[in-house]
Amino acid sequence: AQTVTQSQPEMSVQEAETVTLSCTYDTSENNYYLFWYKQPPSRQMILVIRQEAYKQQNATENRFSVNFQKAAKSFSLKISDSQLGDTAMYFCAFRTLSNTGKLIFGQGTTLQVKP
Amino acid sequence: DAMVIQNPRYQVTQFGKPVTLSCSQTLNHNVMYWYQQKSSQAPKLLFHYYDKDFNNEADTPDNFQSRRPNTSFCFLDIRSPGLGDAAMYLCATSRSGRYTDTQYFGPGTRLTVL
Repeated sequence: AQTVTQSQPEMSVQEAETVTLSCTYDTSENNYYLFWYKQPPSRQMILVIRQEAYKQQNATENRFSVNFQKAAKSFSLKISDSQLGDTAMYFCAFRTLSNTGKLIFGQGTTLQVKP
Repeated sequence: DAMVIQNPRYQVTQFGKPVTLSCSQTLNHNVMYWYQQKSSQAPKLLFHYYDKDFNNEADTPDNFQSRRPNTSFCFLDIRSPGLGDAAMYLCATSRSGRYTDTQYFGPGTRLTVL
């Protein structure tokens, strides 16, 4: 079975500080992409960052970076210099070569950035 | 600029009364997806269209159907909504069905069933 686990239902962080959201996944395939999506309250889901499984180098997008540990099947998201606009639910997800493009999502982590 | 548009944003229907949710896209993407997201849960794929080819997930109830009359539009029809169908319904698109493609989501339609 292909699954994604986000073990932190809720997290909070002070503005300007750094926070890490954890994600583990399970798949027997070698070809897949990993994604973090952000869903702000009452707003649409947007892509934060993506990682190709065959690349060892961790992806970065401005204040967002990932720690991809393929052997451990771990894909955590680090948000540096947290801003109030980062308050949202964050979903970890992946797609494999064989699953017809289907995104497998985790349960989500609600992040609250406090002023 | 809106790329994936969903209408309405909020829909209230009565138990058993058919309802249709709409999605349109300006990206000219080949693939359109419908996800169901219940409160505090992960989005769950119901089905998707690759061009005109319909692909149903094995566990999607028969109560849910979809139409894609052209590239830009896709509809989700719920024939006889039950209380358990109350959820956020998300439409998404991708250029192709390849696993390397990013999916772009609309803002969702929140369905309430009375």
